Amino acid sequence: AQKITQTQPGMFVQEKEAVTLDCTYDTSDPSYGLFWYKQPSSGEMIFLIYQGSYDQQNATEGRYSLNFQKARKSANLVISASQLGDSAMYFCAMREPLRGSARQLTFGSGTQLTVLP
Amino acid sequence: DVKVTQSSRYLVKRTGEKVFLECVQDMDHENMFWYRQDPGLGLRLIYFSYDVKMKEKGDIPEGYSVSREKKERFSLILESASTNQTSMYLCASASGSSYNEQFFGPGTRLTVL
Repeated sequence: AQKITQTQPGMFVQEKEAVTLDCTYDTSDPSYGLFWYKQPSSGEMIFLIYQGSYDQQNATEGRYSLNFQKARKSANLVISASQLGDSAMYFCAMREPLRGSARQLTFGSGTQLTVLP
Repeated sequence: DVKVTQSSRYLVKRTGEKVFLECVQDMDHENMFWYRQDPGLGLRLIYFSYDVKMKEKGDIPEGYSVSREKKERFSLILESASTNQTSMYLCASASGSSYNEQFFGPGTRLTVL
């Protein structure tokens, strides 16, 4: 069963507008973490934002915010005031325990965001 | 500035060849990971290591092996490359803290002919 679901393979947004990228997750572990990464065409994965399952407030990081709805098991990324440089693939990921101190990140299939001028 | 480097950005190999992908991190992280990325599938974990000489299988280990002789270096080995191993390979490292943000290398795009 898929643990991270991103239902939007592609999204378009006008420059300077806000956009929401959807992510739902599935876990029975009460302690987990949710991440969003950005991958530009150059290929490197850039960490954007993190939300812990016990965090009371939604995470924010500059123009990025995470709309965390625990009961619905959703962790949507909101990008405000989109810029042309935001055009990239965006991945949602969930942290799960592995072994020792290692924690596996399970990734969704990604959403390709295109910002239009 | 944190750094994860991979030995090659692009690699072309022939079926049956032995392939080595190298990853080096300078953050003194205990944990290192190898993923492959394919369109529509996201990133899938191949192997990870939580300490020197310690390795564990991830979700898709078949056809791969790994080596971690030093803390900073984690190698992915394709013993006999096949065309279905054509993919983007990403290495990552993470500290042992509870936060566990993973830092990624630039990736190696491997083509097996």
